[in-house]
Amino acid sequence: AQSVTQPDIHITVSEGASLELRCNYSYGATPYLFWYVQSPGQGLQLLLKYFSGDTLVQGIKGFEAEFKRSQSSFNLRKPSVHWSDAAEYFCAVGAREYGNKLVFGAGTILRVKS
Amino acid sequence: DAGVTQSPTHLIKTRGQQVTLRCSPKSGHDTVSWYQQALGQGPQFIFQYYEEEERQRGNFPDRFSGHQFPNYSSELNVNALLLGDSALYLCASSPMGLHSYEQYFGPGTRLTVT
Repeated sequence: AQSVTQPDIHITVSEGASLELRCNYSYGATPYLFWYVQSPGQGLQLLLKYFSGDTLVQGIKGFEAEFKRSQSSFNLRKPSVHWSDAAEYFCAVGAREYGNKLVFGAGTILRVKS
Repeated sequence: DAGVTQSPTHLIKTRGQQVTLRCSPKSGHDTVSWYQQALGQGPQFIFQYYEEEERQRGNFPDRFSGHQFPNYSSELNVNALLLGDSALYLCASSPMGLHSYEQYFGPGTRLTVT
């Protein structure tokens, strides 16, 4: 069965520092990969997506992610974090053999200290 | 361009009652998916509607049912509510085809069952 693991429940970084959020998935074939952000009490906003091609993808708000097939990973990065980035981040995966649904990780809560 | 809208924002129901949640998709989207997000967890796929039919279903009991209307809007119905049904219910819309995986979420409906 498909699964998505976000190993870090909470991460705290200083404003201006770099950020990397980890995501590992378990799938048999080519996955479609996404990162979403959720502010408290809000819905999910799509940050970036990977379908095929260049394994380094750029998203909104200065975020990027790199697909590494050999490691079954799709880690999210940002060079310099802003206080407004504090939120919960979800990695999600889809695959043709599992239909059109997305499977989400449990999320990583990002705290930014000034 | 209006995004995905959901109503109501919040809802309080008593155990055993029935509830209906509503969703209007993003303009140009014809596929609607519903997810349940329990506190502290990632969203879990309930089902997806396309062309007014349920196309795929997650691991949820028959108490959860839905409907899609000719204008692509959708309803989620939950019968015989249990305390465990308390959650944020998220609606997501997408175009059909490969990019059906690129799902855009509404703000959610917070359901509390007492």
